[in-house]
Amino acid sequence: DAGVTQSPTHLIKTRGQQVTLRCSPKSGHDTVSWYQQALGQGPQFIFQYYEEEERQRGNFPDRFSGHQFPNYSSELNVNALLLGDSALYLCASSLVQQNNEQFFGPGTRLTVL
Amino acid sequence: GQQVMQIPQYQHVQEGEDFTTYCNSSTTLSNIQWYKQRPGGHPVFLIQLVKSGEVKKQKRLTFQFGEAKKNSSLHITATQTTDVGTYFCAKIQGAQKLVFGQGTRLTINP
Repeated sequence: DAGVTQSPTHLIKTRGQQVTLRCSPKSGHDTVSWYQQALGQGPQFIFQYYEEEERQRGNFPDRFSGHQFPNYSSELNVNALLLGDSALYLCASSLVQQNNEQFFGPGTRLTVL
Repeated sequence: GQQVMQIPQYQHVQEGEDFTTYCNSSTTLSNIQWYKQRPGGHPVFLIQLVKSGEVKKQKRLTFQFGEAKKNSSLHITATQTTDVGTYFCAKIQGAQKLVFGQGTRLTINP
């Protein structure tokens, strides 16, 4: 039973470029949340997807968008990259009916130059 | 926003010493979760506390939820090098949205 997987593991982009990060949830999970973790900080909630729709959104600009596919996998897209977007992007999966633990993937380390 | 404050930010101990991190909220929490993130790793769920005054133990780890449900603590007895990492508390806001504290980074001198 695979846990949460994310790709790629590392990515280097330049300012103004666009990036797409991918996440496959833990088997049986239907909800995917994305978090941004800057160095030395706690993860910050970006948004959450359930039934292919954005269910909740944190305080992030519209440059951050996402998608969930029928197989529950998800993508995070960031347009017009800024230096400040450099961070570890974490995907977490859970079951919508259960308000308990979330399973985090290994993350994608994004560096914007 | 309604955040959770976590102290201390850093803690360095000798192996075998105890360690405690505290999490405080200005508002009543419905529950609190604790996660551990090893260096270079990702957050891993440790426990969820729901009831006022709840105390839960996992081997050398003791988790407490305050009577007023506004604070929580994680205590590690006799630390080992495997305990190294950053410990986060997190509250659930809305539908499964986690709001994390700043974390306490634990380093251990063997």
